[in-house]
Amino acid sequence: DTGVSQDPRHKITKRGQNVTFRCDPISEHNRLYWYRQTLGQGPEFLTYFQNEAQLEKSRLLSDRFSAERPKGSFSTLEIQRTEQGDSAMYLCASSLIPGHVPYATNEKLFFGSGTQLSVL
Amino acid sequence: AQSVTQLDSQVPVFEEAPVELRCNYSSSVSVYLFWYVQYPNQGLQLLLKYLSGSTLVKGINGFEAEFNKSQTSFHLRKPSVHISDTAEYFCAVSEGIGGTSYGKLTFGQGTILTVHP
Repeated sequence: DTGVSQDPRHKITKRGQNVTFRCDPISEHNRLYWYRQTLGQGPEFLTYFQNEAQLEKSRLLSDRFSAERPKGSFSTLEIQRTEQGDSAMYLCASSLIPGHVPYATNEKLFFGSGTQLSVL
Repeated sequence: AQSVTQLDSQVPVFEEAPVELRCNYSSSVSVYLFWYVQYPNQGLQLLLKYLSGSTLVKGINGFEAEFNKSQTSFHLRKPSVHISDTAEYFCAVSEGIGGTSYGKLTFGQGTILTVHP
């Protein structure tokens, strides 16, 4: 168990550029979550996957944001045409829930250390 | 919709003193309640959670929290803090029975606990 890994740790980009972040969950974890945390605020839910299926997206997630988890393992979060307001820490978390149960109260989230995005 | 308010953005205390970090929530549905801790350059870690049953919940590192439904509060306490407890603490809720995902959390703004020697 190597924990949830996020890459890169830091990303600096110019406004208007596209960026992509990667999250490697704990092996065998079937759920993967993306959160965004701005300075002085708590994390905000963006989206989550069960295996390769994206089950829910927050209204916070504009059309410029897209997330994928093509093989049900790692996930990528892409932001197109970045804006200064996108500057934030992007957090990934993974969990394991049994079988096809849609909701499990023993679900435990493991968070990565995040990717800090700065848009200049 | 749910919301979480952490009433103190920063709490300074001396080592071995007791501490209480305050959290209030609002929701139109039943919720589950959590406290997470974030140490510098580390991911969020679960301290404790309340799902149902006893309103006093014990977590890791000697922390405990009490759920008060009438006051919609879930305050975190520790009777004697250590230097190593210095971190940022987040209160969070998720939808209870009937929700779509236990892991879809609404977080408060965070409280920075600084323990001085």
